[in-house]
Amino acid sequence: DQQVKQNSPSLSVQEGRISILNCDYTNSMFDYFLWYKKYPAEGPTFLISISSIKDKNEDGRFTVFLNKSAKHLSLHIVPSQPGDSAVYFCAASARDFGNEKLTFGTGTRLTIIP
Amino acid sequence: DAGVTQSPTHLIKTRGQQVTLRCSPISGHKSVSWYQQVLGQGPQFIFQYYEKEERGRGNFPDRFSARQFPNYSSELNVNALLLGDSALYLCASSRPGSPQEAFFGQGTRLTVV
Repeated sequence: DQQVKQNSPSLSVQEGRISILNCDYTNSMFDYFLWYKKYPAEGPTFLISISSIKDKNEDGRFTVFLNKSAKHLSLHIVPSQPGDSAVYFCAASARDFGNEKLTFGTGTRLTIIP
Repeated sequence: DAGVTQSPTHLIKTRGQQVTLRCSPISGHKSVSWYQQVLGQGPQFIFQYYEKEERGRGNFPDRFSARQFPNYSSELNVNALLLGDSALYLCASSRPGSPQEAFFGQGTRLTVV
């Protein structure tokens, strides 16, 4: 049962435009959400996170939006740069689990076209 | 500051063998987690250790075990290797104030032949 879903395996965006990556979740116990970026042959790199008590968190070019009623979050990258080309993973966790286990989606490969 | 370091970076083993993977967390981080990532999938949670005690275990068979040492480094052991254990094994550490924001190492690529 895939509790965190990224339905778009890939996305191509022109340099300078906005990249929007989407993520859906099914477990209502999740209360913390994160985005990671992964380059080949490297481990995932933490990008940005959001608590379920917020609906938006911004850090430079990256903004994450959370819609709890729809169980949906999105990552906006503005403006997109060639270095943003990577695989992006959405992850979720729940404090009530008693640990900080992260449940990941399957990833979206973002390609920025120069 | 050094990030999370894992060793070895690559490993080839034969079916039935045993393997030990090592992880050193970021200085000051007391929590270490292990994840398995197979091709085309997101990382899957295997274990979490905090202050040398197991705090969580994912849906993996008993062939998988781990431990954490007094210096907070950790080892992941896998016995009786199967072809399906071929994957990237990721270690992550987190700081006490932000337990859910995990910082990952570069991973160990295990190939079972």
